[in-house]
Amino acid sequence: KAGVTQTPRYLIKTRGQQVTLSCSPISGHRSVSWYQQTPGQGLQFLFEYFSETQRNKGNFPGRFSGRQFSNSRSEMNVSTLELGDSALYLCASSLDRQGPPDTQYFGPGTRLTVL
Amino acid sequence: LAKTTQPISMDSYEGQEVNITCSHNNIATNDYITWYQQFPSQGPRFIIQGYKTKVTNEVASLFIPADRKSSTLSLPRVSLSDTAVYYCLVGEGGGNKLTFGTGTQLKVEL
Repeated sequence: KAGVTQTPRYLIKTRGQQVTLSCSPISGHRSVSWYQQTPGQGLQFLFEYFSETQRNKGNFPGRFSGRQFSNSRSEMNVSTLELGDSALYLCASSLDRQGPPDTQYFGPGTRLTVL
Repeated sequence: LAKTTQPISMDSYEGQEVNITCSHNNIATNDYITWYQQFPSQGPRFIIQGYKTKVTNEVASLFIPADRKSSTLSLPRVSLSDTAVYYCLVGEGGGNKLTFGTGTQLKVEL
């Protein structure tokens, strides 16, 4: 089974621009979560989508948004980019089983650099 | 979600057993304990998950005492490739919102 894929792998933008990152979950997985990782703040949860609906949201400003399509693929968008948005953005998918917390399968990430 | 505390770093040598302890004093009745491993510039990878007592899989063991206020990830006979950051997470099922702490940087040397 193919793993979680993220595109693009690397991206360079300038302040004020916007960016869209894409994530394709493992086949059959319905939950997609997004995380931001920076050296200073570590791994932080952005949001989770399930059945095309945002189910959980972290503490990020409204410039960060996302969506999920009917095939479970997800995109996240960051508008009005700031230098501090430079980070590794990770997508994770899971089955969304009942009971114990799901095993989340992470993609390789998109490295965003804001100049 | 319960807050976790782990050592910032640990050093070991190839072939040794490594035990990383995680404190979670406010763990709730429905919470599980999950460990992830992360290599540089890669996404975290699930290692093991448990609720109480002991869980073992092909790569690690997880020991959880009766009071569940701490847990220990045990890596038998580590190798250089086990050098990574290890995260302990505590939470219940339902929704996928992982809260990662600072993790433990494990360095394995020859």
